Amino acid sequence: SQQGEEDPQALSIQEGENATMNCSYKTSINNLQWYRQNSGRGLVHLILIRSNEREKHSGRLRVTLDTSKKSSSLLITASRAADTASYFCATDPSTDKLIFGTGTRLQVFP
Amino acid sequence: DAEITQSPRHKITETGRQVTLACHQTWNHNNMFWYRQDLGHGLRLIHYSYGVQDTNKGEVSDGYSVSRSNTEDLPLTLESAASSQTSVYFCASSATGTGGYEQYFGPGTRLTVT
Repeated sequence: SQQGEEDPQALSIQEGENATMNCSYKTSINNLQWYRQNSGRGLVHLILIRSNEREKHSGRLRVTLDTSKKSSSLLITASRAADTASYFCATDPSTDKLIFGTGTRLQVFP
Repeated sequence: DAEITQSPRHKITETGRQVTLACHQTWNHNNMFWYRQDLGHGLRLIHYSYGVQDTNKGEVSDGYSVSRSNTEDLPLTLESAASSQTSVYFCASSATGTGGYEQYFGPGTRLTVT
C-alpha cells in the first residue's frame, strides 16, 4: 500500500516559473524525503526533512512539512528545462525503510 | 567514487525460468533494498536487508528471494518468472542510524518475462 500520494500527477510549466508538488501520507513518520527520477534512470535524493522540522532549503528547492496535516510540499523556484523529471516523496515510518508515492511528472518547457 | 551497480541492465526471459538480478554497492552501507517500479504504482519494496545474513520481506515479496552473504551484494532471485514480474527493478542502499538517511539507487534492470 502506498504511504505517500503526490499531487498533481503531472505538471507542465515554462522555464522560469515555479513548480509546486504536494505529498500526503497516512501514518506518523520519522522523516520525509524527496527524490527525482530522470527518464530511464535511477532515483536521486534531493532533500530530507525530519519530523521535527517545518521547512528546509537546498539551492532552488524548498520543502515544507506539516505533520498535523500529514503533508509536505516541494517547491522548485525558477525552473529549468533540466528539471524535467518525475518527483517522488518517500516517508520513513520506521527503521530506515522508505515507502514511496506514485510521483509527479514535471515537464518544463524552454 | 563509491557507487551502486546493477546487472544486467536489460533481461528477457521466459515464463518459469529462474532469474537472478545482481546488485553491488561500494558505499559500505549496511542497508540494501530491492524495489520494482510499474506505471501507476510508483516504487514498491520487494525485500530488504539491514546487514549480512539479515533479510526481510517487503510489500510485494511473493515470488522473489534475496540472500546477503556480504556487505556489498544483495542478489534478487525470481524463483519461477511470471509475466506479472515484467518490470523495472531498482536496488538501493543506505547508511544506518536514527533519523533516517538517503538511499542511493542503482541504474535499474529492465526485466521482460515472455
